[in-house]
Amino acid sequence: DGGITQSPKYLFRKEGQNVTLSCEQNLNHDAMYWYRQDPGQGLRLIYYSQIVNDFQKGDIAEGYSVSREKKESFPLTVTSAQKNPTAFYLCASSAKQGYSNQPQHFGDGTRLSIL
Amino acid sequence: EDQVTQSPEALRLQEGESSSLNCSYTVSGLRGLFWYRQDPGKGPEFLFTLYSAGEEKEKERLKATLTKKESFLHITAPKPEDSATYLCAVQENTGNQFYFGTGTSLTVIP
Repeated sequence: DGGITQSPKYLFRKEGQNVTLSCEQNLNHDAMYWYRQDPGQGLRLIYYSQIVNDFQKGDIAEGYSVSREKKESFPLTVTSAQKNPTAFYLCASSAKQGYSNQPQHFGDGTRLSIL
Repeated sequence: EDQVTQSPEALRLQEGESSSLNCSYTVSGLRGLFWYRQDPGKGPEFLFTLYSAGEEKEKERLKATLTKKESFLHITAPKPEDSATYLCAVQENTGNQFYFGTGTSLTVIP
């Protein structure tokens, strides 16, 4: 079955530590996205990528970094510069937008907590 | 300024009691409006895409409609398994970003 796989499901970060969240898709989608979800807030965009080796900052990129070396993979690193990293992180992908309306499809998230 | 506002924040229904969820948006040019269902601890599950005012989509007990400034998700004779958070998102003509509302948490009581 095609889909988006996020790992790990739960992750704990120590003070001063960088952690990387994995996102893999086998939907042959061009675009991939990372969102952060906090209670009572809508999904907020961290980074997105429309094509391999290219990505753009979203609304809350500070303290995060990404890479897009392969079409299938879009890992997110939460750096020590992100002072409030506790949240539910969601990865999504969609077919190339162009002029058509392609919905995003989501993985099942990674819950990150501070030790 | 919020581009997408959903109401109510929470809704409790008796099984079989029909109701509607609202999603209003302020983007200038709409490329698409999307409805998702999210269960606790899971990622959002895609339900519908609406493109233009007057459009309607149906799936089982759910029906989504779109006007120029808002969308409604109508739930007919809901069952307990319809309990979830329903999210609305819009995409503007000018960009590649999606803007999400904060969701409506629906609880259907047997």
